[in-house]
Amino acid sequence: EVQLLESGGGLVQPGASLRLSCAASGFSFSYYGMSWVRQSPGKGLEWVSSINDGGETINYADSVMGRFIISRDNSDNTLYLQMNTLRTEDTALYYCARDSWFTPDSWGQGTLVTVSS
Amino acid sequence: QSALTQPASVSGSPGQSITISCTGTSSDVRDYNYVSWFQQHPGKAPKLIIYDVITRPSGVSLRFSGSKSGKTASLTISGLQTEDEAHYFCSSYTSRSTRVFGGGTKVTVL
Repeated sequence: EVQLLESGGGLVQPGASLRLSCAASGFSFSYYGMSWVRQSPGKGLEWVSSINDGGETINYADSVMGRFIISRDNSDNTLYLQMNTLRTEDTALYYCARDSWFTPDSWGQGTLVTVSS
Repeated sequence: QSALTQPASVSGSPGQSITISCTGTSSDVRDYNYVSWFQQHPGKAPKLIIYDVITRPSGVSLRFSGSKSGKTASLTISGLQTEDEAHYFCSSYTSRSTRVFGGGTKVTVL
């Protein structure tokens, strides 16, 4: 069974940094691309970033380009999202998702990031 | 990266069929057959119910079907059941190698 467990969320002030982690199990992590998707409270889904299986191909949403960095450690089956210069509009539940071709086919339960002064 | 356009809400009675539209552009929905649909119940993570426009993952009810015409993709739920009451989101791959989601549609079973 595919399991994705996000961690690292919390309450931070604007301008701060935070690093999210996603521990993957139940599948061959190194064979799959991965994505981060966020959902603001009571709002819709917003794709944040994706990384391919080997980590060479990375894409970001315009809203986080230059501030967020996605990475992965295939030896540890872990996906990361380094979030810098956080803004109030980054407040959301952040989901880690496994990609099957261009589709997030399995999702974690999310970790909540709150940016507030 | 404008969001795909979905109706805010759709409703139907048990047993009826409903259709949710998802309108994009020539840079996403029209030019790529990588349209997906997700079901999300309150407090739960999204669940993939349709991918590659028309394909159902294993275990997803046959009552869910997808289609696409031009810039608009659609999700049809046949034989509406109370458990289908949820939010539904569409998504597409884009020409910039990014992904874009729709704003979501709340389905109410009357």
